[in-house]
Amino acid sequence: GAGVSQSPRYKVAKRGQDVALRCDPISGHVSLFWYQQALGQGPEFLTYFQNEAQLDKSGLPSDRFFAERPEGSVSTLKIQRTQQEDSAVYLCASSLVGGASGSYNEQFFGPGTRLTVL
Amino acid sequence: AQSVTQPDIHITVSEGASLELRCNYSYGATPYLFWYVQSPGQGLQLLLKYFSGDTLVQGIKGFEAEFKRSQSSFNLRKPSVHWSDAAEYFCAVAGTTSGTYKYIFGTGTRLKVLA
Repeated sequence: GAGVSQSPRYKVAKRGQDVALRCDPISGHVSLFWYQQALGQGPEFLTYFQNEAQLDKSGLPSDRFFAERPEGSVSTLKIQRTQQEDSAVYLCASSLVGGASGSYNEQFFGPGTRLTVL
Repeated sequence: AQSVTQPDIHITVSEGASLELRCNYSYGATPYLFWYVQSPGQGLQLLLKYFSGDTLVQGIKGFEAEFKRSQSSFNLRKPSVHWSDAAEYFCAVAGTTSGTYKYIFGTGTRLKVLA
């Protein structure tokens, strides 16, 4: 089935390295979300795209975090100069539409990318 | 501010016993509520969701949840737990802030099942 896919599934980076995490949403899904899940915690919102427009980046923890979705489909979350506190699972989710219309707001999650910063 | 509280960090039950996982939410309007399950190394799998209507919601794998507005709760239940239910369970509320329909998750409840 064509669910949300993420790559790589695992990434180990040395402190100070830049990393790029990729998300392929379900085809045709307008909305795309990134979440960060620290060990032992629930996922926390990072940023939201509607097509190629980044409408909300209020959850990005610092200016080292940058996300893009240039053609309104695939998205990349980039973390510059990684720090140990960036170690987490990064989840991507997509939904058919944005806005406030009932069931269409269900988000479908990918398997996540586990980032370990040494 | 919107929030979700899962009071139980860990729960241990025997296989075949009943299960209830607690979830309390804080949200000003009618909430959209979800329960997800996450097995080690896996993504989030949706168990059930509540948008409106019947307050008792049936989900997959024999789970159900009841929305109680007066208690701001959305507890997850299963009458008879199977060993394969051992996992982490997350309650979430979908709410709008600044026009973004984001999910707010609880910290999760880790379920252990004894044989």
